[in-house]
Amino acid sequence: AQSVTQPDIHITVSEGASLELRCNYSYGATPYLFWYVQSPGQGLQLLLKYFSGDTLVQGIKGFEAEFKRSQSSFNLRKPSVHWSDAAEYFCAVGTVFGKGTRLHILP
Amino acid sequence: GAVVSQHPSWVICKSGTSVKIECRSLDFQATTMFWYRQFPKQSLMLMATSNEGSKATYEQGVEKDKFLINHASLTLSTLTVTSAHPEDSSFYICSVPGLAGGSLYNEQFFGPGTRLTVL
Repeated sequence: AQSVTQPDIHITVSEGASLELRCNYSYGATPYLFWYVQSPGQGLQLLLKYFSGDTLVQGIKGFEAEFKRSQSSFNLRKPSVHWSDAAEYFCAVGTVFGKGTRLHILP
Repeated sequence: GAVVSQHPSWVICKSGTSVKIECRSLDFQATTMFWYRQFPKQSLMLMATSNEGSKATYEQGVEKDKFLINHASLTLSTLTVTSAHPEDSSFYICSVPGLAGGSLYNEQFFGPGTRLTVL
């Protein structure tokens, strides 16, 4: 069965600092991997996706993620966070979602 | 991508009543829509796949008679919570999958969600 693990429930970083959100998945075949962001009062928005090809994918808002098959990981990164990045982030394999990581930004 | 709306955005009802939630794909014909449930500070759990013109496909453990889904047109799916009870209180979210590649497991376009509170 598919499963997605986001080991960090909360992460706090200072504005301008780099960010990495972890995601591990369990899936028998080539996964369809996604990162979504959920802001209060708004629907989930796709940040980026991986289906095949280049394992480093670029997304919106300056985010990127790297697919590592050997580690079953798809970690999300951003070199410099902005206060507006504070939100809940979900990693997903198809329709299976991780529990989410809430990102807090310190001024 | 598709623009998806939900109505109402929030609803409060008494225990034992039924509540209908609408999900509309505003600019995209959706033969399939997904319905999720999200508990506070928890993940989204897929409840069912809504199929236009046919029966919905429910995930294991989801009561079909409790959560009635109707997908009568290519732009509208409805979720009716029948005889609602306080434990049904939750955040219900619908989504429309993109068609790139033709797979159902492509990126999804989400509605803003409906907060249901059952007293």
